[in-house]
Amino acid sequence: EPEVTQTPSHQVTQMGQEVILRCVPISNHLYFYWYRQILGQKVEFLVSFYNNEISEKSEIFDDQFSVERPDGSNFTLKIRSTKLEDSAMYFCASTAGTGGEKLFFGSGTQLSVL
Amino acid sequence: SQQGEEDPQALSIQEGENATMNCSYKTSINNLQWYRQNSGRGLVHLILIRSNEREKHSGRLRVTLDTSKKSSSLLITASRAADTASYFCATVETGANSKLTFGKGITLSVRP
Repeated sequence: EPEVTQTPSHQVTQMGQEVILRCVPISNHLYFYWYRQILGQKVEFLVSFYNNEISEKSEIFDDQFSVERPDGSNFTLKIRSTKLEDSAMYFCASTAGTGGEKLFFGSGTQLSVL
Repeated sequence: SQQGEEDPQALSIQEGENATMNCSYKTSINNLQWYRQNSGRGLVHLILIRSNEREKHSGRLRVTLDTSKKSSSLLITASRAADTASYFCATVETGANSKLTFGKGITLSVRP
């Protein structure tokens, strides 16, 4: 069965550094998402992406965050200058249908900001 | 309260028993979905119920939706130890293009 893949599985960085989290969504999917989950807490929406532009974004997704689909297969989340509170599990997801349908999630990237 | 609040927060049952988990939400929705998350893993979609549906079944799963009470329940029948996981409800609000809003989740432990 096709799956969403995320790399790396773990990322450790120093506060203030830039990180890029990478995702390969399922190939025929049209909507792409980033969510994050701080340990033991709820899964928080960051951003959705459709037709090469941001469809919706949350208050968390400020100017420090950006997304890109550089080559038609990868979908990346960049955090420009990481803060301690950015430490979380980051999940990429995609869906084939219209937005808001069944999401397929990757296994996540655990980001630790020191 | 917030969109998508599950109840109880934690549930422990014996293998073979049924598990019932509840979710309440605040706004008008297009659909409501349930997901499962095994420890340290991504979320896996279980079932989707649309706002004009009242009940859906999938294998051992039964989900109900009461839009007048803004609530949903997920029933897992004949539970197994492998059902041990966190379960989340997620809603797509009316007018939202694509965003799913998740609750805090319910931790289900099924004792062998």
